[in-house]
Amino acid sequence: DTEVTQTPKHLVMGMTNKKSLKCEQHMGHRAMYWYKQKAKKPPELMFVYSYEKLSINESVPSRFSPECPNSSLLNLHLHALQPEDSALYLCASSRPMGSDTQYFGPGTRLTVL
Amino acid sequence: GENVEQHPSTLSVQEGDSAVIKCTYSDSASNYFPWYKQELGKGPQLIIDIRSNVGEKKDQRIAVTLNKTAKHFSLHITETQPEDSAVYFCAAPDISNFGNEKLTFGTGTRLTIIP
Repeated sequence: DTEVTQTPKHLVMGMTNKKSLKCEQHMGHRAMYWYKQKAKKPPELMFVYSYEKLSINESVPSRFSPECPNSSLLNLHLHALQPEDSALYLCASSRPMGSDTQYFGPGTRLTVL
Repeated sequence: GENVEQHPSTLSVQEGDSAVIKCTYSDSASNYFPWYKQELGKGPQLIIDIRSNVGEKKDQRIAVTLNKTAKHFSLHITETQPEDSAVYFCAAPDISNFGNEKLTFGTGTRLTIIP
């Protein structure tokens, strides 16, 4: 089973709202990723967690706050977003040691009004 | 960091014909090259990958070739079918800066299979 699940599938929020995206995997992977994808563009890395510790932050604005409560879960907390933050947010996971295959979830389509 | 270039950006192929998508990379230390297929409204799906110790890998109608000297790798799809229509992304790890944790993606190829 190579399934990564993400909830919600769609999210519409105002610029003053606080919301969270959730990602879950049960493949025993110890690395989890958040990507942002704009239309007709490749995925763009935001954060990497390795063994529940933040290992890469690609200079993402603080209005995006990641959290990794355990090895199976990854959250992305959103606050005071801008309309230009509207995008498809993808979660991925992989084994961090000796294997590079990243498996992606279906994504959350976020619209900021 | 790693720089990945992908061509062509769009490709239309008659059903049953072959399709080839090419990528080049800049970091000679890169050792892993995945290909992802993304259908409309879905997340990228890994379809095939190749590691730097082999020059070619095949899985049914899909094959990937790697030329380490020239730093390029290609995706080959034979006997194309309508369900092959999607956007395809190549990728390579930014080994020198982030080890295997960060993938740099190509800009994508929109493949359309004409029935």
